[in-house]
Amino acid sequence: AQTVTQSQPEMSVQEAETVTLSCTYDTSESDYYLFWYKQPPSRQMILVIRQEAYKQQNATENRFSVNFQKAAKSFSLKISDSQLGDAAMYFCAYEQGAQKLVFGQGTRLTINP
Amino acid sequence: DGGITQSPKYLFRKEGQNVTLSCEQNLNHDAMYWYRQDPGQGLRLIYYSQIVNDFQKGDIAEGYSVSREKKESFPLTVTSAQKNPTAFYLCASSIVFASTDTQYFGPGTRLTVL
Repeated sequence: AQTVTQSQPEMSVQEAETVTLSCTYDTSESDYYLFWYKQPPSRQMILVIRQEAYKQQNATENRFSVNFQKAAKSFSLKISDSQLGDAAMYFCAYEQGAQKLVFGQGTRLTINP
Repeated sequence: DGGITQSPKYLFRKEGQNVTLSCEQNLNHDAMYWYRQDPGQGLRLIYYSQIVNDFQKGDIAEGYSVSREKKESFPLTVTSAQKNPTAFYLCASSIVFASTDTQYFGPGTRLTVL
């Protein structure tokens, strides 16, 4: 079964600095999708960024970018110019076919003013 | 305004009771999903449906039931057979199409067993 591992339960960063959240996954498939979701205190899951495994180019969305290393099965999220509104739980997720998502345990990100 | 609505926001259940959580979407999405989130944990899939009148079990379906009579609606019933139902429940939906299959989530329902 596919698994997703987030090895950092908590991270903190100074406002305006850059932070990287780690994610590794296990799969024998060659074609799949990876996601980062943000869960603020309201608890609604918000899509941050999406990566197709067949694309070599790393996805970017404004201040958010990923470092996708397919051979290493690594999918880290970089947040540049961190803002107070970025504080949340961040979940890495793998789509294992039939559009079923497998989630990691999450990383709690704190932004220090 | 397109989106996914879940009701109620908070729900309390006495032991032995069945309760039903509502999930409605007006995004014209084909697929709908139910996830459970326990404190400090990621989401786990309970049930999903890719088409009306059809649904499949996820990883933790025991003690839960669903129906999909309309494209827009995917209610989840937490039965008395679910031994530890206190959790946060999230509904999601997506288009069933390879290049645009991102799941979008509702605001969630917090279920507490008294």
